[in-house]
Amino acid sequence: DAGVTQSPTHLIKTRGQQVTLRCSPISGHKSVSWYQQVLGQGPQFIFQYYEKEERGRGNFPDRFSARQFPNYSSELNVNALLLGDSALYLCASSGSPRFYEQYFGPGTRLTVT
Amino acid sequence: AQSVTQLDSQVPVFEEAPVELRCNYSSSVSVYLFWYVQYPNQGLQLLLKYLSGSTLVKGINGFEAEFNKSQTSFHLRKPSVHISDTAEYFCAVSLYNQGGKLIFGQGTELSVKP
Repeated sequence: DAGVTQSPTHLIKTRGQQVTLRCSPISGHKSVSWYQQVLGQGPQFIFQYYEKEERGRGNFPDRFSARQFPNYSSELNVNALLLGDSALYLCASSGSPRFYEQYFGPGTRLTVT
Repeated sequence: AQSVTQLDSQVPVFEEAPVELRCNYSSSVSVYLFWYVQYPNQGLQLLLKYLSGSTLVKGINGFEAEFNKSQTSFHLRKPSVHISDTAEYFCAVSLYNQGGKLIFGQGTELSVKP
């Protein structure tokens, strides 16, 4: 079975631009969580979506937004990019009720110049 | 608020030696506990988890961890490490009612030398 997939693998953006990252969960999983991992640190929780509804939000500015589609895939959008947004963005999927049992994708490496 | 502290940022060890990676957490409510491993340029892989029951949990690749409620610790151990265990290890917690949100420590870089 396919694991969690994320696209693109890498991308480079300029300050002020907008970016969209994509995630497809494991088949049968209806929950997707997003994390930001800055180099040298542990992942930080950004969002959780379940059944297309936001179920949790971390301490990130409104420049960060996300949505989940009917097929349970998800997009993370970041507007007005800052240099500090450079990070590895990880997506994790899980199934109800064991939302804590999260399976991570390989991540998208975003570099903002 | 909940927090996770990994007490060592780097742990160098020789091949076939035992290793312990330390993790302490702070929470006023009950939590689930996890250890994840991250190999270079990859995502996170679950090593093991503590949900309830026996405080000694066994995971993949010969790792085990012991939950100590009084000391709020969840240390990871392996009796004999291999070169292939070289990676970054993360301890994480999840609240019972916020399962979709993991709170991670800063990570411990395990470096196994021949």
